[in-house]
Amino acid sequence: DTGVSQNPRHKITKRGQNVTFRCDPISEHNRLYWYRQTLGQGPEFLTYFQNEAQLEKSRLLSDRFSAERPKGSFSTLEIQRTEQGDSAMYLCASSLGPAEEAFFGQGTRLTVV
Amino acid sequence: GENVEQHPSTLSVQEGDSAVIKCTYSDSASNYFPWYKQELGKGPQLIIDIRSNVGEKKDQRIAVTLNKTAKHFSLHITETQPEDSAVYFCAAWEEEYGNKLVFGAGTILRVKS
Repeated sequence: DTGVSQNPRHKITKRGQNVTFRCDPISEHNRLYWYRQTLGQGPEFLTYFQNEAQLEKSRLLSDRFSAERPKGSFSTLEIQRTEQGDSAMYLCASSLGPAEEAFFGQGTRLTVV
Repeated sequence: GENVEQHPSTLSVQEGDSAVIKCTYSDSASNYFPWYKQELGKGPQLIIDIRSNVGEKKDQRIAVTLNKTAKHFSLHITETQPEDSAVYFCAAWEEEYGNKLVFGAGTILRVKS
């Protein structure tokens, strides 16, 4: 078990471009969460999956954001038409189930220039 | 929904002293409270957690206490060491309005040697 893996670790993109991040959760973890963290703040919830089903989306997740978890394994988070306000650390976490220990990946730091 | 407040925002202690970080939560249905440590450029790392049927939990130099009536919980670090310097986040599991962790804003702990 190598923990939660996120790729890429860093991404610099021009405003208006699309970006996609990948998260590989701990195997056998059914729950997968995406959070966003800006400097000096705690992680803010974006969305979560129970296996392949996306069960909740935050109001922070505008229609430019889309997440998938095909076959209940890895997940991708895509941001279309990036804006400077999207610059943040995007964190992925996984857990066995609700209210269980959640383990985070190292995050993907996005910078929109 | 759940609201988690964390104090203090920064804390400086001398090496060997104790550090205490306090959090309050609003949702009386919350039943799971983890603490995370985050070092610069890394994802949050789970260091200890507590469930609502327990009042205190210890793991070596780290302990967490929970007061359900007052809806607050605290992290206690004894015999602090320079490597304890990091940002610490408390979180509460939001049960009523969604299945997710809600985080406090974080405490920057500096241990001076």
